Amino acid sequence: AQSVTQLGSHVSVSEGALVLLRCNYSSSVPPYLFWYVQYPNQGLQLLLKYTTGATLVKGINGFEAEFKKSETSFHLTKPSAHMSDAAEYFCAVSDIGTDKLIFGTGTRLQVFP
Amino acid sequence: GAVVSQHPSRVICKSGTSVKIECRSLDFQATTMFWYRQFPKQSLMLMATSNEGSKATYEQGVEKDKFLINHASLTLSTLTVTSAHPEDSSFYICSARWGPGVNSPLHFGNGTRLTVT
Repeated sequence: AQSVTQLGSHVSVSEGALVLLRCNYSSSVPPYLFWYVQYPNQGLQLLLKYTTGATLVKGINGFEAEFKKSETSFHLTKPSAHMSDAAEYFCAVSDIGTDKLIFGTGTRLQVFP
Repeated sequence: GAVVSQHPSRVICKSGTSVKIECRSLDFQATTMFWYRQFPKQSLMLMATSNEGSKATYEQGVEKDKFLINHASLTLSTLTVTSAHPEDSSFYICSARWGPGVNSPLHFGNGTRLTVT
């Protein structure tokens, strides 16, 4: 079965600084990969996804992620953090043969002024 | 854009009672709906997958007699927590997909915080 690992349960950055949230997956076959954001007491909102094609994926709110097969990674980045980016971020991978998503444990992003 | 409405957003119930949570797709027909449970500061754990008109498929370790799922129409799925106990207190989130396969968009409700006293 697929699995996804998010390194770092908490990440703190200053406003305007680079945001880097790490995600690695385990699969011998490139899966579909997703990043979601969750604000307190809310559901999840899709930031971006990789299925096929270009390995650098651009999403909403200025976020992007790059699929690196050699590193089995799909790290999320944003050049300049904004206070409104403070939230919980989940990396997810599709389960081969099904349409289920397997979520990582999440990374809480804090942005300081 | 597509919206999934989940109701109620918060519910407090006494131990031993049952609670029903509704998940509606407001502007699309959901071929598949998923129910997740999220413990504080943890990830979402998939509880079950439901397809309209058929029985839900439960994940390993999830008691199907305790967590009853009904997907009566293409726009409505319900999760009933029967004989709730304090350990059932959690954040429950539904999601809905309007097409086949993982490449079709998945939309999430805003969740229901259940507190069992």
